[in-house]
This record gives sequence, C-alpha cells and structure tokens, in this order.
Amino acid sequence: DAGVIQSPRHEVTEMGQEVTLRCKPISGHDYLFWYRQTMMRGLELLIYFNNNVPIDDSGMPEDRFSAKMPNASFSTLKIQPSEPRDSAVYFCASSSLGTGYTDTQYFGPGTRLTVL
Amino acid sequence: AQKITQTQPGMFVQEKEAVTLDCTYDTSDQSYGLFWYKQPSSGEMIFLIYQGSYDEQNATEGRYSLNFQKARKSANLVISASQLGDSAMYFCAMREGRFNAGKSTFGDGTTLTVKP
Repeated sequence: DAGVIQSPRHEVTEMGQEVTLRCKPISGHDYLFWYRQTMMRGLELLIYFNNNVPIDDSGMPEDRFSAKMPNASFSTLKIQPSEPRDSAVYFCASSSLGTGYTDTQYFGPGTRLTVL
Repeated sequence: AQKITQTQPGMFVQEKEAVTLDCTYDTSDQSYGLFWYKQPSSGEMIFLIYQGSYDEQNATEGRYSLNFQKARKSANLVISASQLGDSAMYFCAMREGRFNAGKSTFGDGTTLTVKP
C-alpha cells in the first residue's frame, strides 16, 4: 500500500514568493495533519482535517499560512508570502479511527523548505 | 506543564545491548493513546509502537516494547538487542480522548546513538 505522499520533497524559494506544499493521504484515512519541524520549536501541529473539514487550525502561525483539503485524497499547505523564518521541514500525516481503537498517524516523507 | 516529557536529550548504547528511552505524560483523560516514532537522519517519521490507556498488557512490536506504568504516567520505550540502524531520534506522543483522533502532542525527542 502506498503511504502518505508529499511533494515536492525539497523546495528552495526566495522571500516573498508563494509556496505550495502538497499531500496525498493514505487511501481510506479520514484525518489529515500538517506539521512543521524545526530545531528550535520541535514538531508543531499546524492544522488538521477530518473528512476534508478543518477541525483545528490554532497552530497555523499567521495569516500567511493557509491549508485546504478539496477532497479526500488531496491537501495543500500554502505560504504567501514566504519568509526566511518559514524554513523548516513540513510533514503531512494521516490517520483513521476506522474499526479499531488505534488511530496511529502515518507520516509522509516531508518537504524541506528553504526560504532565502 | 508539558504534556509529554522526554528527559533524555541524548542516549548512547552498545550494539546488541538493550536501551530504555523515557517518556512521561500528563493528562486528566481516562482514555488516551501513546505512540513512539523513530526519525532517522534521513528525516522520515516512522511509527514504532502504540499503547492504549485501557490496554492491560504492555505493547510489543518485534524488538520494541513499551513499558507502560499508568499510575506513574510513564510510557518508556525499550529497544532490545540494539542495532546500528537504531541510531535515530525517537519521539513519544500522546493522543488524548477516545474519540479525539485528531490532536497528538509530541515530546522533544531523544537522540539515540548505537556504538559498534
């Protein structure tokens, strides 16, 4: 089975540019999460969706960040305009309560974003 | 107060020996889940093991076991017969609430180095 797919794997951009990160969750999973990882702040939850609906976006740092999930198999995280302090690894993860009681989050490989 | 505390920033272990990585958690919920993830230098987040708060037995997955002490709010990861490939950062995480499949809180991580 395919795991969580993220693209691009690496992104280098200049300050002020728009950046779009993409994620395809595991088929059948109804929860999708966006995390950011930096050395200083560790792993931070930015936003998560349930059945394509944003449930909690309290971790989104500011209005420059937006996330969408137009359907069950695709989500985007957009940063506009980007700033050097946005440089980080961005992970997408998905999970499902399903019929079991374990709701393990499975992570994608991450997108390493560098904003110059 | 931190919900997940990993007190060991770095640990060393000799190849083929066992090692315990500490994790304590803080929650007032009766229902919660505890997870361990491995992050090797390549950056991906790999799910290792899950323990539910109502599970009476400690979880095991191959060489990984979770030493769950509910009264002490402790969920230590035990790796038996360490291998060089176990060198990585290890994260403990907690999901609170039975039907709240969404938010998980991650600890700051422990870097494990396996010596040959």
